[in-house]
Amino acid sequence: DSGVTQTPKHLITATGQRVTLRCSPRSGDLSVYWYQQSLDQGLQFLIQYYNGEERAKGNILERFSAQQFPDLHSELNLSSLELGDSALYFCASSVGPSGEQYFGPGTRLTVT
Amino acid sequence: DAKTTQPPSMDCAEGRAANLPCNHSTISGNEYVYWYRQIHSQGPQYIIHGLKNNETNEMASLIITEDRKSSTLILPHATLRDTAVYYCIVRVGNDYKLSFGAGTTVTVRA
Repeated sequence: DSGVTQTPKHLITATGQRVTLRCSPRSGDLSVYWYQQSLDQGLQFLIQYYNGEERAKGNILERFSAQQFPDLHSELNLSSLELGDSALYFCASSVGPSGEQYFGPGTRLTVT
Repeated sequence: DAKTTQPPSMDCAEGRAANLPCNHSTISGNEYVYWYRQIHSQGPQYIIHGLKNNETNEMASLIITEDRKSSTLILPHATLRDTAVYYCIVRVGNDYKLSFGAGTTVTVRA
């Protein structure tokens, strides 16, 4: 158990819908990262927040957005969902703005 | 980040040491070698990292060659629970992201 929690574990929704994935980092960690893992793309970095501020962006679509709240939990919002958005979404956290990242169990999103 | 090359798969006998190679011939002086593993769609798990000295923790040992162009992750006594995809990642110390490649699928057999 890494200490990072993610909810929900599974999510099934239809195309065009919007969903919110939630992540709670390890106690004391200020950075939160979001990654997407699909069958054809592997693990891809999406976005990082550090102490409430967006710090880095990766291959994140404009339909996706994220935020980190004052209590340091983070939410990833996915809108106008497409079949290709079906994937595992992982959240990771680290103490500082870089260093070892500890991953949560993931949310499996299925878009039908 | 420098690219890494890993064998796509390898088998290991339970109870034996598993030696996982990684080539990173274009590594820069300020880049660390990180190892993560992912067990069957679970979240990736941090194993170990190093800059130039060999490192050991409760999970594994990391041996980095003197020229830093390659490294080996050693699982000293592999168990069935070590079956996973192992990722070797080269990363600048203050970099924000991990760039995962295809990794090595390690299968530990009884």
